[in-house]
Amino acid sequence: DSGVTQTPKHLITATGQRVTLRCSPRSGDLSVYWYQQSLDQGLQFLIQYYNGEERAKGNILERFSAQQFPDLHSELNLSSLELGDSALYFCASSEEGAPSDTQYFGPGTRLTVL
Amino acid sequence: DAKTTQPNSMESNEEEPVHLPCNHSTISGTDYIHWYRQLPSQGPEYVIHGLTSNVNNRMASLAIAEDRKSSTLILHRATLRDAAVYYCILSRTSGTYKYIFGTGTRLKVLA
Repeated sequence: DSGVTQTPKHLITATGQRVTLRCSPRSGDLSVYWYQQSLDQGLQFLIQYYNGEERAKGNILERFSAQQFPDLHSELNLSSLELGDSALYFCASSEEGAPSDTQYFGPGTRLTVL
Repeated sequence: DAKTTQPNSMESNEEEPVHLPCNHSTISGTDYIHWYRQLPSQGPEYVIHGLTSNVNNRMASLAIAEDRKSSTLILHRATLRDAAVYYCILSRTSGTYKYIFGTGTRLKVLA
């Protein structure tokens, strides 16, 4: 158990809908990261937050947004969902958000868009 | 842009050493090299990381080429529990991307 929790574990929705994925980092970690893992794209970095502020952005679509709240939990919002958004979404956390940090991954949320 | 290249799959016998290679010829001077592994139905887990020098920890060793354009993850004695997908990753300190993942190497350990 990494100490990172993600909810829900599974999510099934329809195209055009909006969903919110939630992540609680390990106790004491200030930075959270979001990743998408799909069969054809592999594991891709989406976005990173540190202490409530966006720190780095990767291949995140404009239909997707994220935020980190004062209690350090984070949410990833996915809107106007398409079939291709079906994937595993992982959240990770680290102490300081530095490039040398060890990241601890949660168990993931499996999103299925029908 | 920086990327990592890894063999799609490798096999090893149990109790034998395993050398997993990674090519990152476009690495920048301040990019860290990380290795994570992903067991079936789990999130990735940290294995080891380094910048310029070789590194050892209880799980593995990381050998980094002198020009930093390649690295090798060494599992000293593979066990069945080491069967996983191993990702070689660059963490960039500048630019748009923070973590650059390769496609990973699926390691199969034979009993």
